[in-house]
Amino acid sequence: GAGVSQTPSNKVTEKGKYVELRCDPISGHTALYWYRQSLGQGPEFLIYFQGTGAADDSGLPNDRFFAVRPEGSVSTLKIQRTERGDSAVYLCASSQGQGEKLFFGSGTQLSVL
Amino acid sequence: LAKTTQPISMDSYEGQEVNITCSHNNIATNDYITWYQQFPSQGPRFIIQGYKTKVTNEVASLFIPADRKSSTLSLPRVSLSDTAVYYCLVPDNNAGNMLTFGGGTRLMVKP
Repeated sequence: GAGVSQTPSNKVTEKGKYVELRCDPISGHTALYWYRQSLGQGPEFLIYFQGTGAADDSGLPNDRFFAVRPEGSVSTLKIQRTERGDSAVYLCASSQGQGEKLFFGSGTQLSVL
Repeated sequence: LAKTTQPISMDSYEGQEVNITCSHNNIATNDYITWYQQFPSQGPRFIIQGYKTKVTNEVASLFIPADRKSSTLSLPRVSLSDTAVYYCLVPDNNAGNMLTFGGGTRLMVKP
């Protein structure tokens, strides 16, 4: 597939649990973004990677959220001690570079019970 | 906060032209204006990008006046499948030039 792939598509967890969300960007795209989208709202920026490094993590809401991209390709968003307020769609996007057109995946719907 | 303002929702009918206007009063000299479309259960999809005057592609046209403080996305002859949320974005210069999404415009196309 040529698009951005996100897994799982749906994740249901219990309050206090740890979750990992995976993003497989378009091959060759150096920039990778994570956004979070609540029902009825626009996507909210979380973190931006350029290659392996987090170039901007100013959108991460608190230290329970962490993301990695160890080889400059696949990225994992990690959420510790999940809370009900973390329930949202988590979107990943990639681009050829900052400022270039973003290609989004279909997102992971996270539900914290 | 998003740097753009656009109507929350719009209704139209099949076959009509739809124009969605976005204001971006604080746009910087070098900023481009980008529009995305989002269907339910999907991520946003790039529609069009422009800097000034007019840009046209197979999907839409984008009109940008000389002062660049607003832009208008024009969708010709909409169909039911154009029902979606449309986002207008400019780089957020206070956030490392990240693309910050506002609430978008919910377009409902009726038969």
